[in-house]
Amino acid sequence: EVQLVESGGGLVQPGGSLRLSCAASQFTFSYYYMTWVRQAPGKGLEWVATISHDDSEKYYMDSVKGRFTISRDNAKNSVTLQMNSLRAGDTAVYYCVRDGDGHTYGPLYYYYGMDVWGQGTMVTVSS
Amino acid sequence: SLVLTQPPSVSVAPGKTARITCGGDSIGTKSVQWYQQKPGQAPVLVIYYDDDRPSGIPDRFSGSNSGDTATLTISRVEAGDEADFYCQVWDSGSDRYVFGGGTKVTVL
Repeated sequence: EVQLVESGGGLVQPGGSLRLSCAASQFTFSYYYMTWVRQAPGKGLEWVATISHDDSEKYYMDSVKGRFTISRDNAKNSVTLQMNSLRAGDTAVYYCVRDGDGHTYGPLYYYYGMDVWGQGTMVTVSS
Repeated sequence: SLVLTQPPSVSVAPGKTARITCGGDSIGTKSVQWYQQKPGQAPVLVIYYDDDRPSGIPDRFSGSNSGDTATLTISRVEAGDEADFYCQVWDSGSDRYVFGGGTKVTVL
């Protein structure tokens, strides 16, 4: 079964840091763009960051640029979101998501949607 | 920057058709995806590339996209379709994904 499992969430004080990890299994991880999407309590979905299948492209939402870093290790089938200078507004469930197949579709990877989602990990920023 | 606008809620009787709109400037020129999220669960992709269905998604779900509006149509609505639905596009002009605000579908 294709699976994504997140870890690393928790309670952190404003200004603190957290590192979220996502372990992928049962698919060719190195083919796919990977994305983090978050959802604040009772709110809608919000895109956070995306990394290309070959680590050559990274994209971030404006409010996390300079604070969050997305990275991946294709040898370990994992993607990471390093979150620094956390704010109360970052409080949310963070989902690791399999994005489009960049190996097969190149720059049109996003046509194919985010088709596999992890169960999510909760990040709470509070004093 | 691109903003996607969805109605907050749609109500529909069982067996009828629900239509959920997603408005955005020239959205017809973009590839639109739709996600269904039931309470306490992760979202599920139900439509990609405007009108394609992933394997396992019933053909009661269909999509269309033209001009400034994309539409998700759910035919023969069932009680199990009750959920939040989100549209999403990649905005190549700003290199970012955009989600709509979500629509809560209630089955009467």
